[in-house]
Amino acid sequence: EAEVAQSPRYKITEKSQAVAFWCDPISGHATLYWYRQILGQGPELLVQFQDESVVDDSQLPKDRFSAERLKGVDSTLKIQPAELGDSAMYLCASSLAVGEETQYFGPGTRLLVL
Amino acid sequence: SQQGEEDPQALSIQEGENATMNCSYKTSINNLQWYRQNSGRGLVHLILIRSNEREKHSGRLRVTLDTSKKSSSLLITASRAADTASYFCATATTGGFKTIFGAGTRLFVKA
Repeated sequence: EAEVAQSPRYKITEKSQAVAFWCDPISGHATLYWYRQILGQGPELLVQFQDESVVDDSQLPKDRFSAERLKGVDSTLKIQPAELGDSAMYLCASSLAVGEETQYFGPGTRLLVL
Repeated sequence: SQQGEEDPQALSIQEGENATMNCSYKTSINNLQWYRQNSGRGLVHLILIRSNEREKHSGRLRVTLDTSKKSSSLLITASRAADTASYFCATATTGGFKTIFGAGTRLFVKA
């Protein structure tokens, strides 16, 4: 069964350092999502791609976060510089199309900023 | 911002009992979905109900949707210890591209 791949699974970094997360969606899925999930809360959308274009990045802290999906397949989310408050689970998901379709999630990257 | 709010925040039951979780939302939706998340893992899609549907079943799961009250419920029958997880409702708003997740209900099923 096809799955969404994410790496790394865990990342520990010091504040002010740069971190990057990678996601490979299910083959053929045009839509890719990056979520941040703080412990005890639901996922919050950071950025949504349709192919290589950004559909929604209204909740992405653009002063320190960036995301790209250059060829419309895999994607990278970067934080520079990392802050203590960025400690969270970063989840990637993909779906066939925008909006209504079921989302398939990867295992997530747990980030700890010291 | 979170559109959906789950109730209760936490639920503890014995194996074999039924578990009911509720979700309320604020704006018109195209569909509502329920997801499960085991501790420290990604979310798994359970069931999707569209705005023109009132009830849907999948195995031991039963979902209802009341668009007039802007609410949904998830019933898990004959619960098992393996059902221990967090359950989230997610709404796809009408005319928008965004799916918004609630804060979740944490279910603990005691063996």
